[in-house]
Amino acid sequence: GAGVSQSPSNKVTEKGKDVELRCDPISGHTALYWYRQRLGQGLEFLIYFQGNSAPDKSGLPSDRFSAERTGESVSTLTIQRTQQEDSAVYLCASSLSGSDTQYFGPGTRLTVL
Amino acid sequence: QQQVKQSPQSLIVQKGGISIINCAYENTAFDYFPWYQQFPGKGPALLIAIRPDVSEKKEGRFTISFNKSAKQFSLHIMDSQPGDSATYFCAASMEGDSNYQLIWGAGTKLIIKP
Repeated sequence: GAGVSQSPSNKVTEKGKDVELRCDPISGHTALYWYRQRLGQGLEFLIYFQGNSAPDKSGLPSDRFSAERTGESVSTLTIQRTQQEDSAVYLCASSLSGSDTQYFGPGTRLTVL
Repeated sequence: QQQVKQSPQSLIVQKGGISIINCAYENTAFDYFPWYQQFPGKGPALLIAIRPDVSEKKEGRFTISFNKSAKQFSLHIMDSQPGDSATYFCAASMEGDSNYQLIWGAGTKLIIKP
């Protein structure tokens, strides 16, 4: 059974470099979310894709962050010019619709040196 | 009005005891209230959920109590076990509105002492 997958599982990068994180949602799920979770903290909403609607980008912390999703498939979260405060686990989730049960991937642990 | 307030931030319970985590909301249009459980190194996973047409839902040792008039809901873990040690998140949404997202509480780190 295919759940939500994310890659890479771990990413170590140097300050100032760009990184790209990937999320493969469950097939058929129209809604896709990105969250950031700092160590010991709660879920910080970043961006929400729902079908062909314009994404809700209200949670993106700065213009260094962007995300794309092609149709109802893969999504990529890009962080440009990474900073040390970007270090966190980035979680992706998908659901059948915006209000339905969210299924989370295992996350990508990003460390910015 | 969109917030969900969760307490306590952390909780330590002896094995066999009852763990209680509380959440409060403002938006009376919310009609779906799930609880998610997150183990270290994993993404959150749905544990149990309730709709406001019932005041309580029980699944094994886990119970949600819902108080519509007070706009509060809580998770009770009976006979708490060390394996229940995890972070718990409450959430709320308007189910059926496909454009509406879950609104998340801040999380409670639960530690069950053997």
